[in-house]
Amino acid sequence: DVKVTQSSRYLVKRTGEKVFLECVQDMDHENMFWYRQDPGLGLRLIYFSYDVKMKEKGDIPEGYSVSREKKERFSLILESASTNQTSMYLCASSTGTPLHFGNGTRLTVT
Amino acid sequence: GQSLEQPSEVTAVEGAIVQINCTYQTSGFYGLSWYQQHDGGAPTFLSYNALDGLEETGRFSSFLSRSDSYGYLLLQELQMKDSASYFCAVKAGNTPLVFGKGTRLSVIA
Repeated sequence: DVKVTQSSRYLVKRTGEKVFLECVQDMDHENMFWYRQDPGLGLRLIYFSYDVKMKEKGDIPEGYSVSREKKERFSLILESASTNQTSMYLCASSTGTPLHFGNGTRLTVT
Repeated sequence: GQSLEQPSEVTAVEGAIVQINCTYQTSGFYGLSWYQQHDGGAPTFLSYNALDGLEETGRFSSFLSRSDSYGYLLLQELQMKDSASYFCAVKAGNTPLVFGKGTRLSVIA
């Protein structure tokens, strides 16, 4: 089975901090994604990557950046965390269909 | 851009059948997927339809009509464990999946 591991299940950070969310997949998938999930808004795409060192903006990239130095790892970076970035963050990987999701990181910014 | 519409909430009785509809607007349509997410859990893949018609997998079936830009997920013999959120998602062109806002299904005794 594909395993997508997100480093933290819960995270509490202060406004203005730099935050790193890590995601690792073990199935050699080319494609990796970061989604944000908020009640009533579904899953919204922040950034995605179809190859190492490649990154593309999704629908809501503002305030975020990503890094993909190795095929199996895709990091989401909040350069200066703000309270409106309090959310559930979901990482996913794939070679096409379907997406395989991690268990998510619930981030609270205070 | 792409947009999807699905009901926000559905309630159904244990043992019954429920249908969750999804309409979409997109160009370069490839296919429609369905994902299930239990509270506190990760979304998990249920089905993918690229062609018109019904795909059946056990108690779950998914239908697609490309001409109507419409699909649905059909859950039969509902069980309490089916209480979850269900997301439709559209694949178009070389863009990543775009998800609907989700339908929260509550199964009651």
